[in-house]
Amino acid sequence: DVQMTQSPATLSASVGDRVTITCRASQSISSWLAWYQQKPGKAPKLLIYKASSLESGVPSRFSGSGSGTEFTLTISSLQPDDFATYFCQQYDRYSTFGQGTRVEIK
Amino acid sequence: QEQLVESGGGVVQPGRSLRLSCAASGFTFSSYGIHWVRQAPGKGLEWVSLISRDGSNKYYADSVKGRFTISRDNSKNTLYLQMNSLRPEDTAVYYCAKVRGGDNWNSLGPWGQGTLVTVSS
Repeated sequence: DVQMTQSPATLSASVGDRVTITCRASQSISSWLAWYQQKPGKAPKLLIYKASSLESGVPSRFSGSGSGTEFTLTISSLQPDDFATYFCQQYDRYSTFGQGTRVEIK
Repeated sequence: QEQLVESGGGVVQPGRSLRLSCAASGFTFSSYGIHWVRQAPGKGLEWVSLISRDGSNKYYADSVKGRFTISRDNSKNTLYLQMNSLRPEDTAVYYCAKVRGGDNWNSLGPWGQGTLVTVSS
């Protein structure tokens, strides 16, 4: 099984900050990685697919990078609507999610 | 727009069964694989199951294999998850989600709003 490890678990930041979340895979998954945003009581929303492709309608302040085993999600300038939990997902071999990163107000 | 709506959740005793449904609209249902993903209260996301567009291929997480059965009725644009021998650890919000592209193993979007299953005596 491919294990996904996200860090940090919680991140405290202010509006306007640049934020980076990391996801590491236990084995190479090429670029088969997605990022999701989830707000309390809501379903996850796709942000990034294939490691770096921005889903339609998602603000350009979100970006993804990486390949192989290490990936990052970057929010270039944190906005009030961005305080949420973020999950990575590998879909190279079956599907596995990271544990999530909660972005909270500093 | 593309939409998925789950139903069928509720409170059930351990060892009993429950069937979830996921009604799709706004896209050609028979052209896409669909996944079930669950989220225990306050926890992360756990992939549960996948069915291919024509229903010929089905995949399950080890935690539900042999107890859960995924199926679909393309004439009704509906996905199902039959859950037998339920355990307290199956307590979660269950989401259905459409694959983004043509491949079964893919990023997921959109997702339904989820239906809560609580397994408790």
